[in-house]
Amino acid sequence: ETAVFQTPNYHVTQVGNEVSFNCKQTLGHDTMYWYKQDSKKLLKIMFSYNNKQLIVNETVPRRFSPQSSDKAHLNLRIKSVEPEDSAVYLCASSLGTGGYEQYFGPGTRLTVL
Amino acid sequence: GDSVTQTEGLVTLTEGLPVMLNCTYQSTYSPFLFWYVQHLNEAPKLLLKSFTDNKRPEHQGFHATLHKSSSSFHLQKSSAQLSDSALYYCAFTGANTGKLTFGHGTILRVHP
Repeated sequence: ETAVFQTPNYHVTQVGNEVSFNCKQTLGHDTMYWYKQDSKKLLKIMFSYNNKQLIVNETVPRRFSPQSSDKAHLNLRIKSVEPEDSAVYLCASSLGTGGYEQYFGPGTRLTVL
Repeated sequence: GDSVTQTEGLVTLTEGLPVMLNCTYQSTYSPFLFWYVQHLNEAPKLLLKSFTDNKRPEHQGFHATLHKSSSSFHLQKSSAQLSDSALYYCAFTGANTGKLTFGHGTILRVHP
């Protein structure tokens, strides 16, 4: 099956802990993204990678750090989570950085207590 | 700065009536416009994308026309179906910017 896969589906943790989310795409795409969807359903870009190179880094707190081992994998680590980090984190991929369709994974729902 | 504005909040319709969700954008470059749809507990999926050759994209009965003069890309459907109930996002990207900028989303609720 060709798609975008994310793990875990859900994660509940306490303030100050570190979490990591994984994303893998089997679509053969060159570009991958992390988006944050908050409780009001606002969807905002966090990071973009093209061929393992970081190309977009929006105004994101420094406790967030993306990691890309190859074109098919993009992980997200959050050091010392805060309550406002509670959200759904969506991974996406596309063929390139132009006007290409982005394919989204199912998301990881993070709850910070 | 670059932004996209769409019909805010919730739109409630009776099945069979026409759908129109507004989307306007402000961009410093010539953008590509998209409509994404997100059903409950699912990932966003592409519904429509603007073309550069003035073709009107259509999918699942939905269509949208890019009007550069008014910076708009409104989503329309002649007859709403119950299965159209979902969250709709208008989004844009510029060539090689490496990101999609999304509007705030519009919830469409279609009832019998």
